[in-house]
Amino acid sequence: SQTIHQWPATLVQPVGSPLSLECTVEGTSNPNLYWYRQAAGRGLQLLFYSVGIGQISSEVPQNLSASRPQDRQFILSSKKLLLSDSGFYLCAGGGRGGGIQYFGAGTRLSVL
Amino acid sequence: DQQVKQNSPSLSVQEGRISILNCDYTNSMFDYFLWYKKYPAEGPTFLISISSIKDKNEDGRFTVFLNKSAKHLSLHIVPSQPGDSAVYFCAASRRGTYKYIFGTGTRLKVLA
Repeated sequence: SQTIHQWPATLVQPVGSPLSLECTVEGTSNPNLYWYRQAAGRGLQLLFYSVGIGQISSEVPQNLSASRPQDRQFILSSKKLLLSDSGFYLCAGGGRGGGIQYFGAGTRLSVL
Repeated sequence: DQQVKQNSPSLSVQEGRISILNCDYTNSMFDYFLWYKKYPAEGPTFLISISSIKDKNEDGRFTVFLNKSAKHLSLHIVPSQPGDSAVYFCAASRRGTYKYIFGTGTRLKVLA
């Protein structure tokens, strides 16, 4: 199985400030990586996924971007945060052929 | 378009009884399904999976049933324990797409 490290656990940012959330993976090589968001009272929405270094697919048009500079590193960014970016962000890793996804502990982002 | 639906947002069950959580999907191409359990402010943890070639999979107190003709799956927890109180998500995938579509979750409360 994989271990997903995600930080920080909580973050409070003003509107218009930049964002960088980092996720690293242990226990596997060449994983598929994912960023999800869980808005209050809602399910998990897939934001981005990556099948390799530099390969990013965006699922939902938004104010966020993702990058994968190394095989086991996945970064979620924004140049200017909006109030609507508040939520619980989760990084996940999965095997190359699909199967089980393993999640990090999540980051609670509050944009004020 | 919500391809994976969990129509019961919450469920309360007495300790020792059976908990049944339901999930419906619309895309007949989905062929792999997962159930996750999530505590507040934590990432989801994998519980059990089922492939479309099976109609049942068991792991200890957890059993998942798949009815392909009805596009319905259910998670049975027997016997239910207070520690099972959490939000449960089902997720569906089509092999080779690397992506899962998650339901909105069902909050299970097991009463002691």
